[in-house]
Amino acid sequence: QKEVEQDPGPLSVPEGAIVSLNCTYSNSAFQYFMWYRQYSRKGPELLMYTYSSGNKEDGRFTAQVDKSSKYISLFIRDSQPSDSATYLCAMTDITGGGNKLTFGTGTQLKVEL
Amino acid sequence: KAGVTQTPRYLIKTRGQQVTLSCSPISGHRSVSWYQQTPGQGLQFLFEYFSETQRNKGNFPGRFSGRQFSNSRSEMNVSTLELGDSALYLCASSPSRAGGPETQYFGPGTRLLVL
Repeated sequence: QKEVEQDPGPLSVPEGAIVSLNCTYSNSAFQYFMWYRQYSRKGPELLMYTYSSGNKEDGRFTAQVDKSSKYISLFIRDSQPSDSATYLCAMTDITGGGNKLTFGTGTQLKVEL
Repeated sequence: KAGVTQTPRYLIKTRGQQVTLSCSPISGHRSVSWYQQTPGQGLQFLFEYFSETQRNKGNFPGRFSGRQFSNSRSEMNVSTLELGDSALYLCASSPSRAGGPETQYFGPGTRLLVL
C-alpha cells in the first residue's frame, strides 16, 4: 500500500462548479502538506502549502488538513476551464531535514464550458 | 528571475546504455531535488543535493546517481538503462535558507524513453 493515496480520476465538472480533491495518507509523521497543479507537458507548480491541521484559503482555493483522520482536501470554488490540469497532493516531515516530498499519483481534472 | 531549466527535454536511449540529465536551479537556490514521474507510480523522490552533498535519498537502485556542482547545478545519471526507466525526470530547486521543508520550484522535466 502506498503512503499517500489519491483518486486518479478523471474528474469532469461544469464551469462554475465547486471541486473537491482528496488524499489520504498513512505516515503519521507527515506535518507539511502541499497541493501542486501540473499542466500537460509542464512541471508541477505549488498551489497551497499548509502546516499541521486546519484550513488555509487563497483566492478560489481552500486547503484542509485533518491529521486525526490522515485526510487532506483541496477545494476549488467557481472552477474555470483554465483549472483543467492534474492536481497532486504532496507531504513531508522534517525528521530527515531537507525537502523529500511524498506525492499522491494525482487527480486529473477537466472543467468544461 | 529565470526558472529551473532542464536539458535535454527529450531523450531516446536503448536498454543497457547510460544517460546523464542536467538541471540548472533558480539563481540563489542551493537545494536541488530529483523526481521520477510515471503514469503508474506518480512522482517518486530520487535524491536531494545541498551544497554539493546528498542530503536525502529515495528508494531507487544504485544505478541512479547524482551530483551537484559548486554553482548548484546538478546532474543525475542512470546506468544500464532498463525499459522501466522510461519516465519524466523532474528537477526542483529551493532556497534552503530555513531548516524545514520549503517551496520547491519544478522544471519542465526531461522525458526519457528507453527502447
